[in-house]
Amino acid sequence: QKEVEQNSGPLSVPEGAIASLNCTYSDRVSQSFFWYRQYSGKSPELIMSIYSNGDKEDGRFTAQLNKASQYVSLLIRDSQPSDSATYLCAVNRNTGFQKLVFGTGTRLLVSP
Amino acid sequence: DTEVTQTPKHLVMGMTNKKSLKCEQHMGHRAMYWYKQKAKKPPELMFVYSYEKLSINESVPSRFSPECPNSSLLNLHLHALQPEDSALYLCASSQRGGRDGYTFGSGTRLTVV
Repeated sequence: QKEVEQNSGPLSVPEGAIASLNCTYSDRVSQSFFWYRQYSGKSPELIMSIYSNGDKEDGRFTAQLNKASQYVSLLIRDSQPSDSATYLCAVNRNTGFQKLVFGTGTRLLVSP
Repeated sequence: DTEVTQTPKHLVMGMTNKKSLKCEQHMGHRAMYWYKQKAKKPPELMFVYSYEKLSINESVPSRFSPECPNSSLLNLHLHALQPEDSALYLCASSQRGGRDGYTFGSGTRLTVV
């Protein structure tokens, strides 16, 4: 079982729709969860972080965390073509030697 | 300053060459990282430095040699690389053990010929 799993996609949504991206993780001691956006040929950019169960909103982005189900999601409202990118879920294991582990990423395509 | 600066942005090297990748941050972060990313794959951790000491080496071949001269600088020395080592090499830094996420540099696109 991979430590962090995502559907590779592509996930295709029309402009203005809600894009829903999902991620599951296997290590129950994980405490910090992140969503990175990566455009082709560029480096990952941190867009959301979440640490507690529930929802966290920032502009058009909402991150959701359910530690009991070991599940993290990202909702993008009013999707724009500029949101087309690969979204990487990342989990930080805050025990021992801490390191950020990435999922394989979900490619999002937003069509005009 | 909220950036991680990597140089060079692009590098082409032969299999017998020796080259170095450089990374610099001035955010006061005490942990720095090297990641390798192949096309259509997620970043893979190579090395972690915490307070200028190597804390994690993810079984990286010895042809990659990291160095952390001070808390702001991180180097990756390359020697006798193989074509399969061609990838995007990413440097990142963090505070508080990464609990707030990592800040990535723009990367070095390495091609080994």
